[in-house]
Amino acid sequence: AQKITQTQPGMFVQEKEAVTLDCTYDTSDPSYGLFWYKQPSSGEMIFLIYQGSYDQQNATEGRYSLNFQKARKSANLVISASQLGDSAMYFCAMRGHASGGSYIPTFGRGTSLIVHP
Amino acid sequence: KAGVTQTPRYLIKTRGQQVTLSCSPISGHRSVSWYQQTPGQGLQFLFEYFSETQRNKGNFPGRFSGRQFSNSRSEMNVSTLELGDSALYLCASSLQGPGTQYFGPGTRLLVL
Repeated sequence: AQKITQTQPGMFVQEKEAVTLDCTYDTSDPSYGLFWYKQPSSGEMIFLIYQGSYDQQNATEGRYSLNFQKARKSANLVISASQLGDSAMYFCAMRGHASGGSYIPTFGRGTSLIVHP
Repeated sequence: KAGVTQTPRYLIKTRGQQVTLSCSPISGHRSVSWYQQTPGQGLQFLFEYFSETQRNKGNFPGRFSGRQFSNSRSEMNVSTLELGDSALYLCASSLQGPGTQYFGPGTRLLVL
């Protein structure tokens, strides 16, 4: 069975500083994708970044980077130069193979990030 | 390109009633997935439709059902509503299936 663990229920960061949100995963599938989403208080889930299990390099998208350590099964999100608008819930997710060859997505419980001015 | 749209945005129903939620995916996306989000259970996968066929299913009772039309629009139906069905229902679309999913704004359902 797949599992995503986000151990930080809440994080605080000063504006313009960098912050790392932790995510560990568990799967027996050699092929999977890892995702990070941001959910502001409005409720919409916003896609941030994707990392494939066979990707050799860490994914980056603007101020977001994914620190992928395959052997440790971790996929931490790094946000550089935090902005007030980064305050939101952040979800780590994985899509791997379920039994029978179908793709079932699994989400973590999320980390609430608050950026202080 | 327009994003994923969901209607209605807010709903109030009473126990025992049924409800139908609608989702229009991003143009060209053929996969539509539905999720239920509650404070207690977090984000849980309901089901995925691809080319009008249910391809994946989460662990929800049969009261939760869905369908997809030939234009990839999808509907989700919940029959015999229970108080515990109060949640944010999110729809997400992707090009084919295992790729990146893009979410709609959600439908907030309150069951009284």
